[in-house]
Order: sequence, then structure tokens, then C-alpha cells
Amino acid sequence: DVKVTQSSRYLVKRTGEKVFLECVQDMDHENMFWYRQDPGLGLRLIYFSYDVKMKEKGDIPEGYSVSREKKERFSLILESASTNQTSMYLCASSPLPTYEQYFGPGTRLTVT
Amino acid sequence: AQSVAQPEDQVNVAEGNPLTVKCTYSVSGNPYLFWYVQYPNRGLQFLLKYITGDNLVKGSYGFEAEFNKSQTSFHLKKPSALVSDSALYFCAVREGSSASKIIFGSGTRLSIRP
Repeated sequence: DVKVTQSSRYLVKRTGEKVFLECVQDMDHENMFWYRQDPGLGLRLIYFSYDVKMKEKGDIPEGYSVSREKKERFSLILESASTNQTSMYLCASSPLPTYEQYFGPGTRLTVT
Repeated sequence: AQSVAQPEDQVNVAEGNPLTVKCTYSVSGNPYLFWYVQYPNRGLQFLLKYITGDNLVKGSYGFEAEFNKSQTSFHLKKPSALVSDSALYFCAVREGSSASKIIFGSGTRLSIRP
């Protein structure tokens, strides 16, 4: 079975802090994604990566950056956390060429 | 630009009855279509996909979905609902000619009453 793990299930940070969310997948998938999930808005794509050191902006990249130094690991960075970044963050990976996504359990981030 | 719509925020069905969760999409090329389910306090789980071939695709937990190109729809169906099917369901689409970007609908909460 594909396994996608996220570094924390719950995280509480203060406004202005730098926040790192880590995601690791064990199936050698090429693609990795970061989404945020908010009630009534579904999943919104923040960034995705289709190869090591390669990244593309999704629909809501402002205030976020990403890093993919190794194929199995994709990190999301909040440079200066703000209260409007309080959300559920979901990481996913997918293989080529079928593209179905496998999700981690999510990190619920609260910024106070 | 690609988009996906789930017109119903909530669907309520009695156990044992058939269920349908609706999804329509808009892409400029050939679509890759997906359904995912999210149980409470869990991540999303892949249910089924359509890429090419038969318009009726079968997936996990007895679910199936019908691809209708003329109506640009990909509705999720199950012949007999179970209480354990109660969850949040997401439809997603990938444009065949684009990079790996996948767009999700806003989700439909399915509630099955005993």
C-alpha cells in the first residue's frame, strides 16, 4: 500500500512564525502536491512538484513556498504565518501516467 | 481553464436505496476524472478514475461512476447505500494535455440514514 505521511497531525503557531510542514511518500511517485482544505471551499492547490527541485504554483501560492530536495519528500513552508492560514493542510503524491492521488492524514494548523 | 462543479452540498439517502452524487466538469482537452472519499478526521481516499475506455467505471466499496461526454458529467453511484458510506465526497479533474495539476470540486456530504 502507498503510504504518505505528514510530520504533524496538529500544530499551533503564533502569527509571524516560520512554519515547516513535511510530507514523505514511500512509493517513488513523481508528483507531489500540497493542498489546503477549508469548509465549503473544497481542496485548493497551493503548490505541486513533478520532479526533484521542480515546482509549480497552484491556485493559492501567496504566503507559501515549497522545497523538494529528494524525490520522496515535499516540504511546505509558511514564511510568516498569519491567522488566515489557519486550515487543514493535505499532502498527496501520484504516479505517472495515471495520476490518481494518495493523500496523507493531514495537518490541522492553527495560527494564533 | 479547467473546472469541476458539485451542485449539491448535501445528499441524504435511506439505507438500502440507490445513491447518486453529481459532478460536472469543464476542460479543453480529454479529461481524467476522479472520485475521492473523506471519512471524519481522515485524509482523502481514492475511489475510482476514468481516463479512457468504458464509460462506466467501477471502484472501491461498491461505488461506480458514469462518464457522459455530451453532458460533461461524471456522477458517482451505488445501487444500495450503507450507513458506513456517510462521508464527504470529492470529484476531481485533470486536463489531459496539461501538466499534473488536478482541480477538486467543493465536496458533497453524503448522509445515509438507517
